[in-house]
Amino acid sequence: KQEVTQIPAALSVPEGENLVLNCSFTDSAIYNLQWFRQDPGKGLTSLLLIQSSQREQTSGRLNASLDKSSGRSTLYIAASQPGDSATYLCAVRTQGAQKLVFGQGTRLTINP
Amino acid sequence: NAGVTQTPKFQVLKTGQSMTLQCAQDMNHNSMYWYRQDPGMGLRLIYYSASEGTTDKGEVPNGYNVSRLNKREFSLRLESAAPSQTSVYFCASSIQDYSNQPQHFGDGTRLSIL
Repeated sequence: KQEVTQIPAALSVPEGENLVLNCSFTDSAIYNLQWFRQDPGKGLTSLLLIQSSQREQTSGRLNASLDKSSGRSTLYIAASQPGDSATYLCAVRTQGAQKLVFGQGTRLTINP
Repeated sequence: NAGVTQTPKFQVLKTGQSMTLQCAQDMNHNSMYWYRQDPGMGLRLIYYSASEGTTDKGEVPNGYNVSRLNKREFSLRLESAAPSQTSVYFCASSIQDYSNQPQHFGDGTRLSIL
């Protein structure tokens, strides 16, 4: 059974810092991995999707990496801004599985 | 750019009442999903519809029914609400299930069962 873990549960950093959010998964036979952002009281917004054959994906100040052998993905945020404050969720689709398995999320606060 | 629209946004029910949560997407997506989000449990799949005319159970289907009314609309029904169904419900859609395409989420329905 796939399990997805995100540590830490909460992170607070000053504006302008580069930061890394972590996601680990137990079954390396993944189909893809997605990173989402969730603002309070809102739904999830897809940030990046990494296919099984890929090592990383980039969008603007965001870069997500995937290491299947170690069961890890990281989301790198460059030059953080207060508007980046949100909860970031990682979700994994295992090969042949019917559903995404979500981590609990990391609540990120960027202090001005 | 409406995307995925859910109604209502908030609802309070008494135990035993029934209700239907509505979801519509305007992106011409084939696949649609219903999730619930609970503190400490993360998001869990209730039901999904890989394509118009098909529905399948997810991880936590008990106490729920769904209807894929057409390609745009996918509803979730609680026949006899229970306090354990107090949650935030999200509808999502994707171009195709089991594809390397992201899921797009609505803003959720916050449901309280007293």
